[in-house]
Amino acid sequence: SAVISQKPSRDICQRGTSLTIQCQVDSQVTMMFWYRQQPGQSLTLIATANQGSEATYESGFVIDKFPISRPNLTFSTLTVSNLSPEDSSIYLCSVEVGLAGDGRFFGPGTRLTVL
Amino acid sequence: DAKTTQPPSMDCAEGRAANLPCNHSTISGNEYVYWYRQIHSQGPQYIIHGLKNNETNEMASLIITEDRKSSTLILPHATLRDTAVYYCIVRVASSNTGKLIFGQGTTLQVKP
Repeated sequence: SAVISQKPSRDICQRGTSLTIQCQVDSQVTMMFWYRQQPGQSLTLIATANQGSEATYESGFVIDKFPISRPNLTFSTLTVSNLSPEDSSIYLCSVEVGLAGDGRFFGPGTRLTVL
Repeated sequence: DAKTTQPPSMDCAEGRAANLPCNHSTISGNEYVYWYRQIHSQGPQYIIHGLKNNETNEMASLIITEDRKSSTLILPHATLRDTAVYYCIVRVASSNTGKLIFGQGTTLQVKP
């Protein structure tokens, strides 16, 4: 299993600013994923972050808006830049552990409100 | 990854079995059926997965039709704590991409 923590758990930001979200895992993992969950919606994959390589972004998400760092096998950050009210969402990180298929774990999420 | 279709919402009486259907008519031969749930204000939680045989674990049972075009997640004795959004997802298990693509899911409301 894997225990994931995220910081901050919630924040309120002004438009035009940026927020960096941290994701810490209690074990080494190769693949980490960042998701966005807009109010009342399902989860949308933002990007895949593998250690030692550039993050891979999904359609509709760009590095300038959502820069990601992955400095080691237990940690990643997602920055949401140039905030607008439309960025108000829950942001979740996720990891895949092992090859048995039942090893996908999610963090508790970071609730972002942009005023 | 193939797409899935689920009813947007369902109700279930506490103590009764909850049967959540999912259609995945375009599933590929190497794709598994996965179920996750998301309880309010928490991250999604893995429930069960299967390829073509029925599966059971401590949380639920998964029934997959012989043609694999649909499946049903069964919570045998639903409790109020099972109220959540349930997501049916098809993907290649332990794939190198690791992508997990969520649909809209089914909101299950367990009522006393």
